Amino acid sequence: KNEVEQSPQNLTAQEGEFITINCSYSVGISALHWLQQHPGGGIVSLFMLSSGKKKHGRLIATINIQEKHSSLHITASHPRDSAVYICAVRRRETSGSRLTFGEGTQLTVNP
Amino acid sequence: NAGVTQTPKFRVLKTGQSMTLLCAQDMNHEYMYWYRQDPGMGLRLIHYSVGEGTTAKGEVPDGYNVSRLKKQNFLLGLESAAPSQTSVYFCASRPTATDTQYFGPGTRLTVL
Repeated sequence: KNEVEQSPQNLTAQEGEFITINCSYSVGISALHWLQQHPGGGIVSLFMLSSGKKKHGRLIATINIQEKHSSLHITASHPRDSAVYICAVRRRETSGSRLTFGEGTQLTVNP
Repeated sequence: NAGVTQTPKFRVLKTGQSMTLLCAQDMNHEYMYWYRQDPGMGLRLIHYSVGEGTTAKGEVPDGYNVSRLKKQNFLLGLESAAPSQTSVYFCASRPTATDTQYFGPGTRLTVL
């Protein structure tokens, strides 16, 4: 079983819809990251969370440490949000601050 | 700033050939990482470095070697390429003060 599980694997939405992508992990962590991989392949960091909630524009990330679960929400989705969204965790006491990655969620937003 | 760059962007090798992938960063970051990305799998760490002159193994180090002779460069070597090493390779770097990693654009490698 992967230490980081994302759901759904694939998600198709209509422009304007509210989107939620989920991430569950099975290990103790010190931080959780959400990243975005563009269709061209480039990967950018969206959020780093250790507790609570963060918001950037139309993106909101939440984490529940007790339940070992995080969600990424996109409000008023747009076709330019189409990308792979990746959850990653930094395990406690990991050397080099290494990250363990989920498989990603492919999001397609249709106009 | 160019950020993190990777050379080459694409490469096709025959089984048994060798090659070196170059990662360069101009942000003075201490930490650097090499990952591979395969369909249906998350990014997997090959090797990493916590500073100039240091390297360490990640999850999937077999068949790869690395060097970090200069702080800004992290080289990934394949001594004898195998078809199982067909993948997209990403380099990343991060400063000491934050967990956020900055990724290069990737190198698509095909081993025939």
